[in-house]
Amino acid sequence: EDQVTQSPEALRLQEGESSSLNCSYTVSGLRGLFWYRQDPGKGPEFLFTLYSAGEEKEKERLKATLTKKESFLHITAPKPEDSATYLCAVQAAGGGNKLTFGTGTQLKVEL
Amino acid sequence: EAQVTQNPRYLITVTGKKLTVTCSQNMNHEYMSWYRQDPGLGLRQIYYSMNVEVTDKGDVPEGYKVSRKEKRNFPLILESPSPNQTSLYFCASSLYSGPYEQYFGPGTRLTVT
Repeated sequence: EDQVTQSPEALRLQEGESSSLNCSYTVSGLRGLFWYRQDPGKGPEFLFTLYSAGEEKEKERLKATLTKKESFLHITAPKPEDSATYLCAVQAAGGGNKLTFGTGTQLKVEL
Repeated sequence: EAQVTQNPRYLITVTGKKLTVTCSQNMNHEYMSWYRQDPGLGLRQIYYSMNVEVTDKGDVPEGYKVSRKEKRNFPLILESPSPNQTSLYFCASSLYSGPYEQYFGPGTRLTVT
């Protein structure tokens, strides 16, 4: 059974204080690992897809990396507008294109 | 604007009263899916559809029905809702089946009393 575990559950940062969010996964045949951002009361918003170990992707202050067992979302010099819940999901080969989600990391960036 | 829309956004109903949550996308996507989100459990897939007239069960299909008669629409039907179906529901779509980004709707918060 595919599993995704995210840590920490919650993270409080000062503006400008860089950190990383972790996503550990077990899946039989990874098709893709996805990062989404979710603001309160809204649907998840796509950030990145990673397909194979060693791959990295960047967007503004966010950088996602992937190994065979985990993915990291690095946040460099965060701003208050980066506050949100960050969700990690995996898609397995032959899984009907289902995304298996972790429970997310709730990030709060304070001034 | 490319988007996934859901209606209603909020719904309070009583046990056993049939309801339908509509989902529509304007991106000509082949793949559509329904998820429910519950605290501590994350998002879980209910049903998905690879294309018109092709649907299949996800992880938690009990108590739900779907249909895909048109490419753009994928309604979720609860024929006899129960309190354990109180949840936040999201519809999503992607261009094709496969490792493509899924676009999510704004969510429907359902309360069954």
